[in-house]
Parts: sequence; C-alpha cells; structure tokens
Amino acid sequence: SYVLTQPPSVSVAPGKTARITCGGNNIGSKSVHWYQQKPGQAPVLVIYYDSDRPSGIPERFSGSNSGNTATLTISRVEAGDEADYYCQVWDSSSDPRVVFGGGTKLTVL
Amino acid sequence: EVQLVESGGGLVQPGGSLRLSCAASGFTFSSYWMSWVRQAPGKGLEWVANIKQDGSEKYYVDSVKGRFTISRDNAKNSLYLQMNSLRAEDTAVYYCARDVALWPHWYFDLWGRGTLVTVSS
Repeated sequence: SYVLTQPPSVSVAPGKTARITCGGNNIGSKSVHWYQQKPGQAPVLVIYYDSDRPSGIPERFSGSNSGNTATLTISRVEAGDEADYYCQVWDSSSDPRVVFGGGTKLTVL
Repeated sequence: EVQLVESGGGLVQPGGSLRLSCAASGFTFSSYWMSWVRQAPGKGLEWVANIKQDGSEKYYVDSVKGRFTISRDNAKNSLYLQMNSLRAEDTAVYYCARDVALWPHWYFDLWGRGTLVTVSS
C-alpha cells in the first residue's frame, strides 16, 4: 500500500511560519488533502487539491506539492493553530485506496 | 445546518457486535459517497469503509473485511456500520465522513464528532 510520511512534531513561535511535510513516492502526481484536528474534536479539512482552501479557512493556510513532498504552510501562526495535522491522498493502485499520513503535532511555543 | 451525528458506540466484549449509526442533515445525503474513518486512542486516522450513493459499491480496509458491513438508508438520511466479531484493536473513535469523490481525487469535506467504541472484557 501507498505510504505517507509526516514528522511526528513541529514547533513554531507565534507569528512565525510553520511548514509540515508529507512525503510519498511521486506524491506530486497525486492530489493531497490536509486536515486539522484539535484535541477532542473531529478533523476539519483545511486544504484540498494540494492548495485550495475551503470557505472559512484563513488565507494563512496554504499548500504545495511537488516531487516526493507535499507541504502545508501556516503563516503568522497563532496559538489556536496548535493541533494535529494529517495529509491524505487517494491512490488507485493502493489497498486501501484512501491513505492518511501518520499525523504531525504542531506546537505553538 | 449541515452536519453528521454518530451514535451507537459503547463498551462491548471481544467477539461481540455493535451497530453504529450516522444521521445526516442539511445536505442531499443521497448525492454523496460516505465513509467511516476511525482513530484508535492516541493514534492517527484510519479509513475503514465507504459506500456509493446508491449502495451498489462498498469498500473496506483489509483488517475489517468479513467482520464489518457498511450500509445506508437514503430515505432516512442515515449511514450505518455493523461491526461483528469485534477485537481489542477495533477500539477507537469512529467518525462518519462525507466523501468528495471526483476520480482520481477523493477527500472528506464534512465530519461528525465521532462515537467511541471500546472492546474490552
């Protein structure tokens, strides 16, 4: 099955930029989606199709995808951004076809 | 309001059964693929199963094949997960999620709050 690799944790000071990576074999050829999950809450879609934002998601959240790495970038980080972030792809040759990364805990210092 | 509300979780002994339900509201339920995604305590997200709009196609992760059955009732705007032969490793919060399925793109744009299933003696 297809594997997505995320760093377990990322730390950033308020007002700085956080970058969370998601590695996968030729992931640039796939659409990557990102979810934010705060403690005790359900996941929320923050980025779809590599870089599109659903309505209601701040412009501070952006995404990119190329080669073997996709990146979620959060600019001007706020305390409220502290959460777990998961990347996800759909891979037609994988079983299961829906694949999540292991998740990254974003800590705001 | 557009929402998904799960119910039916609880404590069950190994080998037992449980049926989860998900009530959808605020959108045309019959127009969407739907999924169950679970999260074991302190772990990441794992897709479990999904079902096509009319119920004609169903897919499962290997670890639940033959034990879990996904179904839906479009007249009741409801999604179900029948879980049999439960194991300790099935312990998790189970989320109902709405699929955005535009092949080859697939993601989840609406999630419920989840229901906790604990398998323990």
